[in-house]
Amino acid sequence: DSGVTQTPKHLITATGQRVTLRCSPRSGDLSVYWYQQSLDQGLQFLIQYYNGEERAKGNILERFSAQQFPDLHSELNLSSLELGDSALYFCASSLTSGRAGETQYFGPGTRLLVL
Amino acid sequence: GQQLNQSPQSMFIQEGEDVSMNCTSSSIFNTWLWYKQDPGEGPVLLIALYKAGELTSNGRLTAQFGITRKDSFLNISASIPSDVGIYFCAGQRSNFGNEKLTFGTGTRLTIIP
Repeated sequence: DSGVTQTPKHLITATGQRVTLRCSPRSGDLSVYWYQQSLDQGLQFLIQYYNGEERAKGNILERFSAQQFPDLHSELNLSSLELGDSALYFCASSLTSGRAGETQYFGPGTRLLVL
Repeated sequence: GQQLNQSPQSMFIQEGEDVSMNCTSSSIFNTWLWYKQDPGEGPVLLIALYKAGELTSNGRLTAQFGITRKDSFLNISASIPSDVGIYFCAGQRSNFGNEKLTFGTGTRLTIIP
């Protein structure tokens, strides 16, 4: 158990809908990262938040947004969903802003299926 | 987005065999990491490498940071059933933090009974 929790574990929805994925980092960790893992693909970095502020942005679509709240939990919002958005979404957390080699601890993921 | 090239894509081995996999990039990374992902779980960090040429072990696992800083290698000795899973390399460019991880495409390890 990494200490990172993600809810829900599974999500099935229809195209055009909007969903919210939730992540609670390990106790004491200030950074939260979101990754997308499509079928048979590696992990694609989406976005990082550090202590409530956006820190780094990766390949995140404009239909997607995220935020980190004062209690440091984070939500990833996916809107106007398309079939291709079906994937595993992982949240990871690290102690500080992500300095070189700082360990990122991954949650168990949310499996999203868009029908 | 960019991904690192990992090979092989899949490996089918017998218990007790040694395993080697590698990860290459067209650009330099200053940190290399190796993760393992079990089915239905998130990736777990196995080994972190911070210096070109560095060789680091974690039990039966040994990883090396390539001299060119464009590649890394992972070896598993005397494989056991719990080694089954997908192994990902990840690179980080900056030594100054605030730098995202770029992940490899993964190597799926299967042990044949």
